[in-house]
Amino acid sequence: AQTVTQSQPEMSVQEAETVTLSCTYDTSESDYYLFWYKQPPSRQMILVIRQEAYKQQNATENRFSVNFQKAAKSFSLKISDSQLGDAAMYFCAYRRGGYSTLTFGKGTMLLVS
Amino acid sequence: NAGVTQTPKFRVLKTGQSMTLLCAQDMNHEYMYWYRQDPGMGLRLIHYSVGEGTTAKGEVPDGYNVSRLKKQNFLLGLESAAPSQTSVYFCASSLNRVYEQYFGPGTRLTVT
Repeated sequence: AQTVTQSQPEMSVQEAETVTLSCTYDTSESDYYLFWYKQPPSRQMILVIRQEAYKQQNATENRFSVNFQKAAKSFSLKISDSQLGDAAMYFCAYRRGGYSTLTFGKGTMLLVS
Repeated sequence: NAGVTQTPKFRVLKTGQSMTLLCAQDMNHEYMYWYRQDPGMGLRLIHYSVGEGTTAKGEVPDGYNVSRLKKQNFLLGLESAAPSQTSVYFCASSLNRVYEQYFGPGTRLTVT
């Protein structure tokens, strides 16, 4: 079974600074997708970014980018120019290719001050 | 376009009572999912459906039943609620197995 590990229960960053959230996963598959979801205090789950395993180029969405290290099974999220609105719980998630279900990590709470 | 909606938003049950959570989506999505979120546990898949009339078990299906009689609705039932089912429940939907999942706002359920 696939597992997703987020080893940082909580992270802090100051406004305008950069922060990196870590995620590692375990899979024997070669076709899969990785995601970062944001859950603000409103509880609404919002997709931040996705990465296809077959793509070598790291995904980027405005201030959000990932560092996808396939051999190391690592998928970290970098948030640049942090803003107060970035404060939220962030979840890393894995989806096996050809399947629809997601496996989530336990989350990292990001505090912004 | 409301996206994914969940009814109710909050509910308190006594042990042994039953209830049904309703998830509705207006995006004509084929796939729908029910998750539960517990502190320190992330989201865990309870049941899911790959189309009208179909259901399948997820990671933590015990104590729950589901039905997908209409494409736009996915119901989660608790026949005899237990305190261990105290959680926040999220519904999600996706167009198919390739596209991303869109989540509802969640239902906070407390079983006393």
